[in-house]
Amino acid sequence: AQSVTQLGSHVSVSEGALVLLRCNYSSSVPPYLFWYVQYPNQGLQLLLKYTTGATLVKGINGFEAEFKKSETSFHLTKPSAHMSDAAEYFCAVISDSNYQLIWGAGTKLIIKP
Amino acid sequence: DTGVSQNPRHKITKRGQNVTFRCDPISEHNRLYWYRQTLGQGPEFLTYFQNEAQLEKSRLLSDRFSAERPKGSFSTLEIQRTEQGDSAMYLCASSSPQGNRETQYFGPGTRLLVL
Repeated sequence: AQSVTQLGSHVSVSEGALVLLRCNYSSSVPPYLFWYVQYPNQGLQLLLKYTTGATLVKGINGFEAEFKKSETSFHLTKPSAHMSDAAEYFCAVISDSNYQLIWGAGTKLIIKP
Repeated sequence: DTGVSQNPRHKITKRGQNVTFRCDPISEHNRLYWYRQTLGQGPEFLTYFQNEAQLEKSRLLSDRFSAERPKGSFSTLEIQRTEQGDSAMYLCASSSPQGNRETQYFGPGTRLLVL
């Protein structure tokens, strides 16, 4: 069975500092991996995705993620945090059997001024 | 705006009442998904449609829940005899017909509060 683990329910960084949100997955088939962002009382917005090909994936708002098969990881990074990045971030893998997304528990990103 | 839309955005109801939510997917997308999200948690899969066919339902979807997509376009999710535990954000997503594991695009959600 596939699963996603996000380390840290809350991550706090200073404005301008590096953002690193961790995601590990388990999958018996090559995974399709996603990061979504959710602002308060809003739906989920796709940040970036990995399907095949280049393992370093660039997304919106300056975020990127690197797929590392050997580490079963898909960590999300941004070189310099901005106040507007404060939100909850979800990592997900798409099921290989029924197309549903299998989600991590989410990481709330807090930006300190 | 050609994104996924959901109505209403907010719904407050009394326990025991029925509620119905609507989702309009991106027009060329043939797959439509419903998820439920409670506070502080990731979304949980409820059900999905390919065109008008409902292909899978989660165990979370009790017999008080029913979803339809009669013409393969918009979908409705009805909850009968609502309970306080039904309070959550209900999210709809759609995806294009290309491939088997394509990207899902989400609507803004409907937040339900059962008093």
